[in-house]
Amino acid sequence: AQSVTQPDIHITVSEGASLELRCNYSYGATPYLFWYVQSPGQGLQLLLKYFSGDTLVQGIKGFEAEFKRSQSSFNLRKPSVHWSDAAEYFCAVGIQGAQKLVFGQGTRLTINP
Amino acid sequence: EAQVTQNPRYLITVTGKKLTVTCSQNMNHEYMSWYRQDPGLGLRQIYYSMNVEVTDKGDVPEGYKVSRKEKRNFPLILESPSPNQTSLYFCASSFSGYEKLFFGSGTQLSVL
Repeated sequence: AQSVTQPDIHITVSEGASLELRCNYSYGATPYLFWYVQSPGQGLQLLLKYFSGDTLVQGIKGFEAEFKRSQSSFNLRKPSVHWSDAAEYFCAVGIQGAQKLVFGQGTRLTINP
Repeated sequence: EAQVTQNPRYLITVTGKKLTVTCSQNMNHEYMSWYRQDPGLGLRQIYYSMNVEVTDKGDVPEGYKVSRKEKRNFPLILESPSPNQTSLYFCASSFSGYEKLFFGSGTQLSVL
């Protein structure tokens, strides 16, 4: 069965520090992968997506993610976080033919000043 | 402004009292979908609609109904709500499928 695992429920980093959020997926076919961000009281916003081609994907707000097929991973990174990055982050895999995204459990990011 | 609008934002109700959560988009999107978000479970799809003629179940459709009579609206209906339907609900839309979803701000539902 398809699944997405985000091993870290909650991460705290200092403002200006680098960030890496982990995501592992289980999917039999070529995955379509996504990262969404949910700010407090808001809906989800697409940060970036990977369908094919270059395995390093650039997104909005200075985020990037790297697809590693051998590790079934799609980790999200940012070189220097800002206080406004505090939010919950969701990794998801698109299920072809079923027209749905399967989401991970989410990682809540807290930024220390 | 391009947006997906859900109403109400918050809703408290009692077991068995029928309710409808509305969803409307102004982007002429073909695809619309409903998700519920529960702590530790992420988001799970309830129903989706490829267009006004095609609607289908997602992963957790039990206890829910939907309607797609016109392109812009996709209401979620709970005919007899139960406490296990207490959750945060999101409507989403896109031009085609899940490739770039636009989400509403959510509806926090509590069923007592």
